[in-house]
Amino acid sequence: QKEVEQDPGPLSVPEGAIVSLNCTYSNSAFQYFMWYRQYSRKGPELLMYTYSSGNKEDGRFTAQVDKSSKYISLFIRDSQPSDSATYLCAMSADNFNKFYFGSGTKLNVKP
Amino acid sequence: EPEVTQTPSHQVTQMGQEVILRCVPISNHLYFYWYRQILGQKVEFLVSFYNNEISEKSEIFDDQFSVERPDGSNFTLKIRSTKLEDSAMYFCASGQGSVYGYTFGSGTRLTVV
Repeated sequence: QKEVEQDPGPLSVPEGAIVSLNCTYSNSAFQYFMWYRQYSRKGPELLMYTYSSGNKEDGRFTAQVDKSSKYISLFIRDSQPSDSATYLCAMSADNFNKFYFGSGTKLNVKP
Repeated sequence: EPEVTQTPSHQVTQMGQEVILRCVPISNHLYFYWYRQILGQKVEFLVSFYNNEISEKSEIFDDQFSVERPDGSNFTLKIRSTKLEDSAMYFCASGQGSVYGYTFGSGTRLTVV
């Protein structure tokens, strides 16, 4: 059973577009949800962290969690070429131990 | 901005040799992790460490692997007898166990030949 599913893309959008990235999961015990950005051959960089259901906004980024559907999203407004990277969702049941990562969605924002 | 520092950035080793990957977590963090990412695959959990002991480990983390926090600042991952399939990017992470999430280092690329 795959814990976390994420469309690998690649996703190519023009500069200024709104980007929607999504993950689904199977484990109803997950309560902590994160989005990381990873540039080639670098470590994941934390973008957003949410607990349980709801929305969280930080600048151009909005994270949404729908626990009833086991579905999380990351929206990027006014996308920039510098947003081009692989976006990883990650989730955990208890915030202290094992995180489960999606496979990552590769995003390319064209100037 | 505080960082998690990993050394070396790239290590090449012969199959069967022992390797030690080193990490300096962020100084006020209490939770430490090793993850790995085989090229083109998911980031996979290896082990978590808290209060000087392993709190959880994955099925990947067998007897060939060990972790240590030898001096209160470094956090190391040792692979006793490397196999070809151990070739991967190894990421160290640290966190406070809070809503601030976890910070990853830039990784050590391990190549076993």
